[in-house]
Amino acid sequence: ELKVEQNPLFLSMQEGKNYTIYCNYSTTSDRLYWYRQDPGKSLESLFVLLSNGAVKQEGRLMASLDTKARLSTLHITAAVHDLSATYFCAVDRGPGSARQLTFGSGTQLTVLP
Amino acid sequence: NAGVTQTPKFQVLKTGQSMTLQCAQDMNHEYMSWYRQDPGMGLRLIHYSVGAGITDQGEVPNGYNVSRSTTEDFPLRLLSAAPSQTSVYFCASSRQLGYEQYFGPGTRLTVT
Repeated sequence: ELKVEQNPLFLSMQEGKNYTIYCNYSTTSDRLYWYRQDPGKSLESLFVLLSNGAVKQEGRLMASLDTKARLSTLHITAAVHDLSATYFCAVDRGPGSARQLTFGSGTQLTVLP
Repeated sequence: NAGVTQTPKFQVLKTGQSMTLQCAQDMNHEYMSWYRQDPGMGLRLIHYSVGAGITDQGEVPNGYNVSRSTTEDFPLRLLSAAPSQTSVYFCASSRQLGYEQYFGPGTRLTVT
């Protein structure tokens, strides 16, 4: 059974600081997704990582995937208040499981002024 | 393009009642899915469909039924609501299996 662990679960950071959210998963996978959710809202796709070594960047967020270590990171550079949200990683279980996604529990990020 | 739409936005049911949550997409996506989100947890897959007429179970299918008679619509039926089904339900779609999923706005369901 695929397990997906995110840490930290809660993160308060000061504006302007850098931080990294980690997503570890327990079985082989070649695809990983990052989503953002604002309170009471739906999920918004941030990044799709499709291969080992994939790196994607958008604004102050950068995501990477290491399939050998079964680890993805979401790095936040010079945080701003607008980045406050909950961030989820979701791991693709592969074609044998109809590519179902298993989600992590989420990291609730609060950026303080 | 409306994307993925869901109705209703909020619903309160009594234990034992049945209801259908509606989901529709206008992107001609083959793959559609239903998730539930409970506090402090990520999303869990209930049922999914890889095309019209084809559905399959996800991680937590008990107490729910689905059908897919058209590409656009994927309703989720609660047969006999239980308090354990109190949750936020999200519908999602993607072009095909293994592609990025787009989520609807969600339905907040409370079962008393």
